[in-house]
Amino acid sequence: GAVVSQHPSRVICKSGTSVKIECRSLDFQATTMFWYRQFPKQSLMLMATSNEGSKATYEQGVEKDKFLINHASLTLSTLTVTSAHPEDSSFYICSPSGGKDYGYTFGSGTRLTVV
Amino acid sequence: QQQVKQSPQSLIVQKGGISIINCAYENTAFDYFPWYQQFPGKGPALLIAIRPDVSEKKEGRFTISFNKSAKQFSLHIMDSQPGDSATYFCAALWGGGKLIFGQGTELSVKP
Repeated sequence: GAVVSQHPSRVICKSGTSVKIECRSLDFQATTMFWYRQFPKQSLMLMATSNEGSKATYEQGVEKDKFLINHASLTLSTLTVTSAHPEDSSFYICSPSGGKDYGYTFGSGTRLTVV
Repeated sequence: QQQVKQSPQSLIVQKGGISIINCAYENTAFDYFPWYQQFPGKGPALLIAIRPDVSEKKEGRFTISFNKSAKQFSLHIMDSQPGDSATYFCAALWGGGKLIFGQGTELSVKP
């Protein structure tokens, strides 16, 4: 199956600073990258979709200037939370996609805590 | 039309029992229905998935039953074990490869 690596697993940052989260597809080429956010006891909510070499498409209500997504290669995508605030504290999960054959696997998630 | 409704919200089952989680959808354009298992602090892990041209799929103790006419599908966990205690999400795939998730079911298997 598809192997996904997401780092860091946990990060604590001060309010106003920026945090970068990396997601790598280790054994396949991810033409598309999905980024999700999950609040405690809630389901996964899609934040944005990016295709390699293109600008990301953001879901309604997600600020594109706050959540910067870079998908410069077929194996690496990054999500940068800029000027983080406590309300951005959440569990962020990536899902690189090479298509249905790869089963839509997920990274292990990043727990972001903004203090 | 893009929603996937999942029930129950929580479920307690005795060890060795059968756990059943149900999902319903409206959009007939959905063409792939995976189930995910998530442990606290971890990303979701794909358990089993089905396409709408199949009525049932079994992998080990996990079975998906799919009713296309009723637009419903369910996950059955046979011989449930304490290690199965986790949150389970159904999902449906639509245009552009986007997954729509159900609300999740917190399963607790008592020894």
